[in-house]
Amino acid sequence: SAVISQKPSRDICQRGTSLTIQCQVDSQVTMMFWYRQQPGQSLTLIATANQGSEATYESGFVIDKFPISRPNLTFSTLTVSNMSPEDSSIYLCSVMTYQRPDTQYFGPGTRLTVL
Amino acid sequence: AQTVTQSQPEMSVQEAETVTLSCTYDTSESDYYLFWYKQPPSRQMILVIRQEAYKQQNATENRFSVNFQKAAKSFSLKISDSQLGDAAMYFCAYAVVDNFNKFYFGSGTKLNVKP
Repeated sequence: SAVISQKPSRDICQRGTSLTIQCQVDSQVTMMFWYRQQPGQSLTLIATANQGSEATYESGFVIDKFPISRPNLTFSTLTVSNMSPEDSSIYLCSVMTYQRPDTQYFGPGTRLTVL
Repeated sequence: AQTVTQSQPEMSVQEAETVTLSCTYDTSESDYYLFWYKQPPSRQMILVIRQEAYKQQNATENRFSVNFQKAAKSFSLKISDSQLGDAAMYFCAYAVVDNFNKFYFGSGTKLNVKP
């Protein structure tokens, strides 16, 4: 499986500000995804990050709130914009590899607290 | 609609004993994959085991094995010789073969391991 890193690992932010989370993979991957996991809950897919084009968002998530970039096959960013306390969550990046295109592998996550 | 149900929010097992975590799913598809992921307190989701629905043989990975009952739409995880490091949240997940972009996750089971 690929080695996936996320930055930052955690952050505490003020209401109304924005935070950009980075996801870096040590090899080229086919697909990259962003999930949100609220405290004690399961995972909710935010969007699929498409290389060279706009991300595909799930119902309830919009580009203005969660802009996503994927400039190449190893890197993606998720921005949480105009944050409120309700955005406090763990944000997880996941990927699918060319070697195993039927399984998602996850990064270590970013724990975001909004005050 | 595809749903994944984990009916046990929390379970406990004595170290060195065996425990079984339950998962059921609802689908009209015939070709799909099933997964168990482990999320320890460090929060990184780790793939434990995967099962292709077309395979009748149950998957096994060291101390982890599954009991896959396709007709009953049941996919339980058995952990043998439980270790303290097995303590984590366990998530069952499902994905359709022709749409691996969409993973469906259960609500999770918290496993406690008692020394």
